[in-house]
Amino acid sequence: GDSVTQMEGPVTLSEEAFLTINCTYTATGYPSLFWYVQYPGEGLQLLLKATKADDKGSNKGFEATYRKETTSFHLEKGSVQVSDSAVYFCALMNSGGSNYKLTFGKGTLLTVNP
Amino acid sequence: ETGVTQSPTHLIKTRGQQVTLRCSSQSGHNTVSWYQQALGQGPQFIFQYYREEENGRGNFPPRFSGLQFPNYSSELNVNALELDDSALYLCASSREVNTGELFFGEGSRLTVL
Repeated sequence: GDSVTQMEGPVTLSEEAFLTINCTYTATGYPSLFWYVQYPGEGLQLLLKATKADDKGSNKGFEATYRKETTSFHLEKGSVQVSDSAVYFCALMNSGGSNYKLTFGKGTLLTVNP
Repeated sequence: ETGVTQSPTHLIKTRGQQVTLRCSSQSGHNTVSWYQQALGQGPQFIFQYYREEENGRGNFPPRFSGLQFPNYSSELNVNALELDDSALYLCASSREVNTGELFFGEGSRLTVL
């Protein structure tokens, strides 16, 4: 079945550091890929998405590129802020059948210190 | 805020009891999905409802059941609670059924003793 593997956390960075959170997936067909973020005390929010190979999703300074050859969708940000501290989830949706569900990774806790 | 509200926010039950969790979807959304998030894990898909019909189910036993109402609000019912049912239950609504762009509520934290 479909699965998502993402970098084990926690990740601790200083403000303005470069961020990479690795995500790889296993799926049949051509899934859509997503990054969701969960800020403390809030619900999950969509951060960015990509629906086909070589697409780049971007939002709030975060980027991720859909790499079919390496089955990866790594999240990057050039300069993190304290307000980026949150749990980040990589997810995929495989619409090959009629079951439109998201399959999530385990999440990566990011803490950014001033 | 996403416009998706869930109740209750926290509750404690004992093994064998039954629980009902409620969700109010964002205005204009006709699809609702439920996910279970155990501590330190990613959310796991329970089921999805579209126009009041179940439209897909994850690997959860039949004692997990749901309803979607004409106003697109939804309920998740769990019978015969087990200790392993302790988790955060997330409701998510979407504008259409075949999208991964979900709007999540903050969840209902269930503890089973």
